[in-house]
Amino acid sequence: NAGVTQTPKFQVLKTGQSMTLQCAQDMNHNSMYWYRQDPGMGLRLIYYSASEGTTDKGEVPNGYNVSRLNKREFSLRLESAAPSQTSVYFCASSAREWDNQPQHFGDGTRLSIL
Amino acid sequence: AQSVTQLGSHVSVSEGALVLLRCNYSSSVPPYLFWYVQYPNQGLQLLLKYTTGATLVKGINGFEAEFKKSETSFHLTKPSAHMSDAAEYFCAVRGSGGGADGLTFGKGTHLIIQP
Repeated sequence: NAGVTQTPKFQVLKTGQSMTLQCAQDMNHNSMYWYRQDPGMGLRLIYYSASEGTTDKGEVPNGYNVSRLNKREFSLRLESAAPSQTSVYFCASSAREWDNQPQHFGDGTRLSIL
Repeated sequence: AQSVTQLGSHVSVSEGALVLLRCNYSSSVPPYLFWYVQYPNQGLQLLLKYTTGATLVKGINGFEAEFKKSETSFHLTKPSAHMSDAAEYFCAVRGSGGGADGLTFGKGTHLIIQP
């Protein structure tokens, strides 16, 4: 079972470059999420999409944009990368917005901004 | 606003000893609480969750947690530690928007198992 798939797994960028992190889930989940993980900080929510066609800001949205392309896919874009965005990025999905379903996580994208 | 506090960024126990990882939360709505485990270079895997009903929740790999509303706590325990339990553990609480607005995580506790 693939679950949540993130690409790429690793990426190195120069300051000012742009890139898009891809995420796809095959569990027919309605809700999808992007988190960043930094040492000693836990995971912090960047953006989420409660259902297809909607997106909302999380705790740390500055410098990012998202697109819910369809029910399966939720991408995260860095328009002009900054060193402060060096992090591990996790995509997650969950079944229904009004239920207590847990989130399922991908294996992460390790992003370094030089 | 939601918040989670995990006491101890690192916890070290001997193999076979009791594991206790502490989590306290603050929530503006009835809390749904989760424990996740993260092994090196991997994503997060759900250990257990509390939503409603029984306050003692059993999860995978022999872990359990007890929801104590009066103490706003959701501590994770395992009677006997195994070397394979060495990992990072995260406590999380659902958002105030009914669950679709993501989770608020604690900063994590790194569990070290001494042989």
